[in-house]
Amino acid sequence: QSALTQPASVSGSPGQSITISCTGTSSDIGGYNYVSWYQQHPGKAPKVMIYDVSKRPSGVSNRFSGSKSGNTASLTISGLQAEDEADYYCSSYASSSTYVFGSGTKVTVL
Amino acid sequence: EVQLVESGGGLIQPGGSLRLSCAASGFTVSNNYMSWVRQAPGKGLEWVSVIYSDGRISYADSVKGRFTISRDNSKNMVYLQMNSLRAEDTAVYYCAVIPDPWGQGTLVTVSS
Repeated sequence: QSALTQPASVSGSPGQSITISCTGTSSDIGGYNYVSWYQQHPGKAPKVMIYDVSKRPSGVSNRFSGSKSGNTASLTISGLQAEDEADYYCSSYASSSTYVFGSGTKVTVL
Repeated sequence: EVQLVESGGGLIQPGGSLRLSCAASGFTVSNNYMSWVRQAPGKGLEWVSVIYSDGRISYADSVKGRFTISRDNSKNMVYLQMNSLRAEDTAVYYCAVIPDPWGQGTLVTVSS
């Protein structure tokens, strides 16, 4: 049950696009299409931005998109805005009917 | 409105026990995969436990043998019984249906 690997930080200027990677194994990301991405602002509960690899909940901006290739999932934020500055976490369903979260990525808008 | 509300957190001494509660509204807990997820101060999210709609239960290795998840279908609630608490269990505990919804969290502090 090791945490999924994410870069500690990613930054970009307003209007730019950034991509956050989330690397696991064939027992989690590679084995199931149940990857979710969460945005968390300080002191707040996580908010789902993407689920089932690439589905976007109603109300979430279409600037957020998700994908997966092999054991690595990715979250892309296009047209970066100041309000996107937050911590982002990936999660995946895993073998033995468990779940695993990523280590987290701090997104900074320059 | 779909909502989860946790309660039961607080300050507890190492070795002590605490039971967290999660009240669901707007949906039925017995039909969903109910999880507990925690976040230590300044740290990332850590999945703790899940109870599936068919009654199957799983735990993270870090809490196996110490924590017990359960649900009361008549009250539409989920619980997390935490025994033999350690300092490293200090965290905000969230009740959630992964990926959504999540509760607002309840803080558990294990300290003497």
